[in-house]
Amino acid sequence: EIVLTQSPGTLSLSPGERATLSCRASQSVASSYLAWYQQKRGQTPRLLIYGASSRATGIPDRFSGSGSGTDFTLTITRLEPEDFAVYYCQQYGSSPTFGQGTKVEIK
Amino acid sequence: QVQLQESGPGLVKPSQTLSLTCTVSGGSISSGSYYWSWIRQPAGKGLEWIGRIYTSGTTKYNPSLKSRVTISVDTSKNQFSLKLSSVTAADTAVYYCARLERGYGLFDYWGQGTLVTVSS
Repeated sequence: EIVLTQSPGTLSLSPGERATLSCRASQSVASSYLAWYQQKRGQTPRLLIYGASSRATGIPDRFSGSGSGTDFTLTITRLEPEDFAVYYCQQYGSSPTFGQGTKVEIK
Repeated sequence: QVQLQESGPGLVKPSQTLSLTCTVSGGSISSGSYYWSWIRQPAGKGLEWIGRIYTSGTTKYNPSLKSRVTISVDTSKNQFSLKLSSVTAADTAVYYCARLERGYGLFDYWGQGTLVTVSS
């Protein structure tokens, strides 16, 4: 099983700032199979990024994904109030697994 | 627009079997492009994939839960179901059903989730 480790656990930032979230895999992940989700309190996860760098339908261009192999990054260029949430990475190898999440909170 | 809806008991006694059903609308569960999955999330914690089923009935389970999990599909009703046996308090969680797109291995549609509490 591929273990995904996200860092930091919590990111305290102000609206308008840039957020950089990391997702590291215990073994190489095919880029096609790396996705990012946003989950707000009490809500269902929402797909943001798939294939490591492709935005899902309706996702603003302030969200971008990058990386390959074992290191992947989600970047939010200018945080909007609605972006404060928990973010999960997910890989689809032999069995899908999720990272433990990064909480982006208002500083 | 595809929609998924979980249904089933919200309270299960320890050692018993948790049973949930997911009804899919707005699309056919028989589409070859997707798997149909169950995912759970304990309160305040992260997401755990439980398993998935294909329209043919082929399944794959999380190795950590494999001995207790059964997922089945009823294409005539456009539903798939989860059974988790010998539950304990550690199985208390919000359970989601979700569509898993085969090409990129992403979960693109989710049910709203249902809280299942294991307690006597």
